[in-house]
Amino acid sequence: ETGVTQTPRHLVMGMTNKKSLKCEQHLGHNAMYWYKQSAKKPLELMFVYNFKEQTENNSVPSRFSPECPNSSHLFLHLHTLQPEDSALYLCASSQDSGGGSYEQYFGPGTRLTVT
Amino acid sequence: GQNIDQPTEMTATEGAIVQINCTYQTSGFNGLFWYQQHAGEAPTFLSYNVLDGLEEKGRFSSFLSRSKGYSYLLLKELQMKDSASYLCAVMDSNYQLIWGAGTKLIIKP
Repeated sequence: ETGVTQTPRHLVMGMTNKKSLKCEQHLGHNAMYWYKQSAKKPLELMFVYNFKEQTENNSVPSRFSPECPNSSHLFLHLHTLQPEDSALYLCASSQDSGGGSYEQYFGPGTRLTVT
Repeated sequence: GQNIDQPTEMTATEGAIVQINCTYQTSGFNGLFWYQQHAGEAPTFLSYNVLDGLEEKGRFSSFLSRSKGYSYLLLKELQMKDSASYLCAVMDSNYQLIWGAGTKLIIKP
C-alpha cells in the first residue's frame, strides 16, 4: 500500500460507544495530524504529532484521545461522543511539522455519524 | 483572530479560465497552500507560494501578494474533472496551517 490509509471509512456509533479510528502512512514522514472536516466549514486541526511526540492539541474535548505508537501509525480513540461530533475525520502526514514548505498528504477520511 | 476568506461557490464553463481568490489575515506567514478536494475524497496538494509572484504548473497557476494578504488560483482550459472544492491554507508563525472553508467549483459543459 502507498500513501496514507485510514480505517474504517465509515462509522456509525451511539453516544455511549467506544471506538477507534486508525491511520497509517507509508511515506516515511515524521509528522502526523488529525483533522475534523464539517460541511462548509474550514478544516479544524485537532492534534499534531512530530516524531511520535504530541506538539499540538487545539482545545479538543477529552472524549477524543489520540495515540501515536510510532511515526507510521496514528489512532483516535472515541468515547461518549455527541451528535455534533459527526463529521469527516481526516488523517494527514508530512515530512516534519516545523517546516514551511512541507505539504501534507491526506488519507481518504473516516465518515463518522454519532446517533 | 486568524481568518482565511474564499468564495463559497463558483461556476465556470468547460474550456474556459477561472480564478479563485483567497484573502488572509494570520499571525505570521510561512507560505500559502492550495489543495484540491473531490467530493468524498482526500484533499490533494496543488501548489505552495512563499514569495510574491506567479507559480505556474501546467494548467494551474497560483499567485501570491504578501503585502495585500492575497492569493489566487488560476485554472485554464477547464475540464469536467476540475469540478471539486479548492482549499486555501496559510501556514502561520507557529507553522500551523490555517484553512479556508473551500470554494466549490462547478464546471458546466
